[in-house]
Amino acid sequence: DAGVIQSPRHEVTEMGQEVTLRCKPISGHNSLFWYRQTMMRGLELLIYFNNNVPIDDSGMPEDRFSAKMPNASFSTLKIQPSEPRDSAVYFCASSFDRSSYEQYFGPGTRLTVT
Amino acid sequence: KQEVTQIPAALSVPEGENLVLNCSFTDSAIYNLQWFRQDPGKGLTSLLLIQSSQREQTSGRLNASLDKSSGRSTLYIAASQPGDSATYLCAVTGNTPLVFGKGTRLSVIA
Repeated sequence: DAGVIQSPRHEVTEMGQEVTLRCKPISGHNSLFWYRQTMMRGLELLIYFNNNVPIDDSGMPEDRFSAKMPNASFSTLKIQPSEPRDSAVYFCASSFDRSSYEQYFGPGTRLTVT
Repeated sequence: KQEVTQIPAALSVPEGENLVLNCSFTDSAIYNLQWFRQDPGKGLTSLLLIQSSQREQTSGRLNASLDKSSGRSTLYIAASQPGDSATYLCAVTGNTPLVFGKGTRLSVIA
């Protein structure tokens, strides 16, 4: 398996623009997680899905953030409108389930909002 | 709310030295604890996963221990090498999947 795939790897956009980050989990994994990493706050869980259903989105910072998982092999994280404080590295991870198994991380998307 | 603390924040050691990285967590009701490695500008690589019923896990020169009752875990690296230089992150899964510490930045000097 190719591992967790994220695109794009780098995104530079202007404030106010819509940003869509994409993730393809490892085949057969039932749980998918979105994280954000910043120098100040470290790694934070934004939202996670189990069997394509959002389970906990309490980490999503604002209504400007939304995430979807239309099928078992694809998820998106959307920011609309984007702001400079959204600049961070966004990671997607997947696992066989939410608790007992290792999480495998994608390479991340480095987002810069100017 | 679960909080994870890693001490020290940074560590520099000469090559060949054995070392210990520390991780503590406030809520002992966890399913597992996972240690990750992160190289600069890269993603996270899982090193070891310890289930809540286990006391330790080993992989090569790495040994991780878990004392759930005291809320502590250690990652022991034997015979350190310059290639071990990276940030090491500890994370616990309980009611919330993977709450991370801020990491320990390790430099192994040749």
